[in-house]
Amino acid sequence: DTGVSQDPRHKITKRGQNVTFRCDPISEHNRLYWYRQTLGQGPEFLTYFQNEAQLEKSRLLSDRFSAERPKGSFSTLEIQRTEQGDSAMYLCASSVSGLAGANVLTFGAGSRLTVL
Amino acid sequence: AQSVTQLGSHVSVSEGALVLLRCNYSSSVPPYLFWYVQYPNQGLQLLLKYTSAATLVKGINGFEAEFKKSETSFHLTKPSAHMSDAAEYFCAVSGLNTGGFKTIFGAGTRLFVKA
Repeated sequence: DTGVSQDPRHKITKRGQNVTFRCDPISEHNRLYWYRQTLGQGPEFLTYFQNEAQLEKSRLLSDRFSAERPKGSFSTLEIQRTEQGDSAMYLCASSVSGLAGANVLTFGAGSRLTVL
Repeated sequence: AQSVTQLGSHVSVSEGALVLLRCNYSSSVPPYLFWYVQYPNQGLQLLLKYTSAATLVKGINGFEAEFKKSETSFHLTKPSAHMSDAAEYFCAVSGLNTGGFKTIFGAGTRLFVKA
């Protein structure tokens, strides 16, 4: 078990470009979460999957953001037409189904996005 | 909706002193509460969790937290700070009232430990 892997760790892009982040969760975990973290703030929930189904999306997730988990394993988060306000650390976490609501999240190291 | 408030964005203690990081939650149903720690250049990791069993919860590295329903608090303590405790600490809440299974995090408290 190698934990939750995220790629790339750092991405610098120009405003207007598209970027894609990948997350590989712990293999036994059926839930996968995306969060965004900016300096001095806690992680903000973006979306989560149970297996391949995307069950919830935050209002923070504009139409430029899309996430997929096609086979219930890895997930991708794509940001189209990036804006400077998208600069943040994008965190992926996974968990197993268990006591309702008592998810213990295992986080990846994050993908840092800088939009110039 | 559930939420958490962490009092104090920065806390500074001397090595060997008591660590107290404050967290208050808002929930209309019994919550599940967590403390996560983020060391520099590392991902968040679970420190401890409360899931409606014992109200005093012990975690890793000598940390513990007490769930107090009457005060809607879940403060994190450690009797004696070590230099290696310097990190950012996040209080978090989850449960059916957050809407499904998502976890909501506080803004974090950065702990500084002075030699």
